[in-house]
Amino acid sequence: DAKTTQPPSMDCAEGRAANLPCNHSTISGNEYVYWYRQIHSQGPQYIIHGLKNNETNEMASLIITEDRKSSTLILPHATLRDTAVYYCIVRVAAVYQGAQKLVFGQGTRLTINP
Amino acid sequence: GAGVSQSPSNKVTEKGKDVELRCDPISGHTALYWYRQRLGQGLEFLIYFQGNSAPDKSGLPSDRFSAERTGESVSTLTIQRTQQEDSAVYLCASSLGSGGAYNEQFFGPGTRLTVL
Repeated sequence: DAKTTQPPSMDCAEGRAANLPCNHSTISGNEYVYWYRQIHSQGPQYIIHGLKNNETNEMASLIITEDRKSSTLILPHATLRDTAVYYCIVRVAAVYQGAQKLVFGQGTRLTINP
Repeated sequence: GAGVSQSPSNKVTEKGKDVELRCDPISGHTALYWYRQRLGQGLEFLIYFQGNSAPDKSGLPSDRFSAERTGESVSTLTIQRTQQEDSAVYLCASSLGSGGAYNEQFFGPGTRLTVL
């Protein structure tokens, strides 16, 4: 399973873009990059995922490098409610079709400052 | 519709006692997962269920841990003879389990287990 490396913590000013990096240099060709976040005392929440193309949804944008060895999650206009631990996860191979466990690392603790 | 629910939200028990944690997945989700999160740590995968297939138990830390699932609904995680190192938040998640990349896992609020 490809491992991911993230900085343990980051700070960002409210209203600015938060750019969270993730390294996954051993990712294989059929593995996706997923991002989840966990706000204090809550369960993790899905944000976005991608294979090789950049992706955008209502929450964030995901930029994946051409060699797929790293990616960046972008929160375009961070708010105080975005303070959370952000997990970059590479999807492991399924034992059974359709069910895939997620392997969580330590994540990045993002603090949005007023 | 309702999200994933878990009960109890908090459980305090004495070392050596057995505990049962319950998870109600989102209706229609065939895949169900249990994770554990120790204080200040990331999530550890424990077990998952997919339809009628045999569960993947590869993450269970010891034979004191077991889990069952009734059809495609409720699941219970049982910890026998609890130890202090079992203290953690136990999170349940469910997903459609329909294959492909769009297999978002929806997490419940967790059960905080404290073993004294």
